[in-house]
Amino acid sequence: TQLLEQSPQFLSIQEGENLTVYCNSSSVFSSLQWYRQEPGEGPVLLVTVVTGGEVKKLKRLTFQFGDARKDSSLHITAAQPGDTGLYLCAGRSGNTGKLIFGQGTTLQVKP
Amino acid sequence: NAGVTQTPKFQVLKTGQSMTLQCAQDMNHEYMSWYRQDPGMGLRLIHYSVGAGITDQGEVPNGYNVSRSTTEDFPLRLLSAAPSQTSVYFCASSKDRGRLFFGSGTQLSVL
Repeated sequence: TQLLEQSPQFLSIQEGENLTVYCNSSSVFSSLQWYRQEPGEGPVLLVTVVTGGEVKKLKRLTFQFGDARKDSSLHITAAQPGDTGLYLCAGRSGNTGKLIFGQGTTLQVKP
Repeated sequence: NAGVTQTPKFQVLKTGQSMTLQCAQDMNHEYMSWYRQDPGMGLRLIHYSVGAGITDQGEVPNGYNVSRSTTEDFPLRLLSAAPSQTSVYFCASSKDRGRLFFGSGTQLSVL
C-alpha cells in the first residue's frame, strides 16, 4: 500500500512568518498535486508537479518535487491570515493511476 | 457553470438506515470518484468510475455501492448505515485523471 506522510499535521504561526510543509513517501509517483481546503468546502487544486526536481511558484507559495519523485514540499513566504486552511498533497501512482492523499496539514495564521 | 454539485449538505441517519448521496457534474468529465474525509486521515477513495457503465472499488468500499448510468451522475448508496460511516463525503470529477474538481461535501452522522 502506498502511503503519503505529511508533516507537520498542525501549524499555528504569526502573520509574516515563513513555513514549510513536507509530503514524503517510499513510493515513486508519476505526479504530485497540492490542494487547499477551506472549512465547509471541497479541496481546490493549487499546483501539479510532474518532473523530478521541478519547482513551481504561485505568488508566495513555492512547490518542489523531489528528484526521485518520492517527496514534495510546500513553502509559504510571509504567511497571511488568508493562507489559513487545510493543505493536502496527493500523489498519482505510476502503477495503478490512483491518486493517494496525505493526511493533510492544518495551517492557522494569526494576525 | 455549476461544476460538481452534491446533495444533501448535511444528513443524520440512524444505524441500519439506507440513503443515497447525490453527485452531479456538468463539465462532461469521464472520471468521477467518491472520497470520505476523517480527521487525521486525509481523503480515502471509496469508489470511482472511468465512464458511464464502469465502476471500480477504491481503498474503503465496504458498505457502499455506486452506479454510473450517465456521464453526469454518480450516486453513492449506503446500504445499512453504521456509526463508522460518520464522515464527510466528497464527490470529485476530472477530465483525464488530472486535476480533481470537488463538490462542497456532505456531512453525514450515523447515530
